[in-house]
Amino acid sequence: RKEVEQDPGPFNVPEGATVAFNCTYSNSASQSFFWYRQDCRKEPKLLMSVYSSGNEDGRFTAQLNRASQYISLLIRDSKLSDSATYLCVVRGDSSYKLIFGSGTRLLVRP
Amino acid sequence: GAGVSQSPSNKVTEKGKDVELRCDPISGHTALYWYRQSLGQGLEFLIYFQGNSAPDKSGLPSDRFSAERTGGSVSTLTIQRTQQEDSAVYLCASSRAYEQYFGPGTRLTVT
Repeated sequence: RKEVEQDPGPFNVPEGATVAFNCTYSNSASQSFFWYRQDCRKEPKLLMSVYSSGNEDGRFTAQLNRASQYISLLIRDSKLSDSATYLCVVRGDSSYKLIFGSGTRLLVRP
Repeated sequence: GAGVSQSPSNKVTEKGKDVELRCDPISGHTALYWYRQSLGQGLEFLIYFQGNSAPDKSGLPSDRFSAERTGGSVSTLTIQRTQQEDSAVYLCASSRAYEQYFGPGTRLTVT
């Protein structure tokens, strides 16, 4: 079983739609959680950290459910520019190592 | 401020040759990481540096791969006797705390 699992997609949605991705992780001792965004042939870029209480950044909302060991990302009012691969990332019980999921691909169409 | 930089951006080499990939982390970031990403695949952890030390080399695929970091700054990843399966994008990241910031990567093609 992978340490971080994501639905690879693609999720194909029209502009303005709301879309949600989920991610599950296997290590219950995991400490920190992130969503990164990766555009085609580009490096991953930090989108947002995920806090236990949930957090929002503009159109993006991240939630953490420690009991069920899953993380979610909600994107409201999708834009064409949101088309990318979204990587779920978990820091284990070590002080440094991040574990990356394989990513969920989002396509926003006009 | 300046982000993580990597050079070269692209490298084409013949099978059996050695290559060196360079990473300049964000100033003040003590931690540095190397990853590899093959086409359409996820990120594969290679090695982690804290300062000039490498407490975790567990991701290096074989003894043909080595890395060093000097002055707590620049890092070099060396691949000896390259093989076609080494073709990938090699990404470097740095961090001060837990959030890692990536460079643009070096696309390595072994012919």
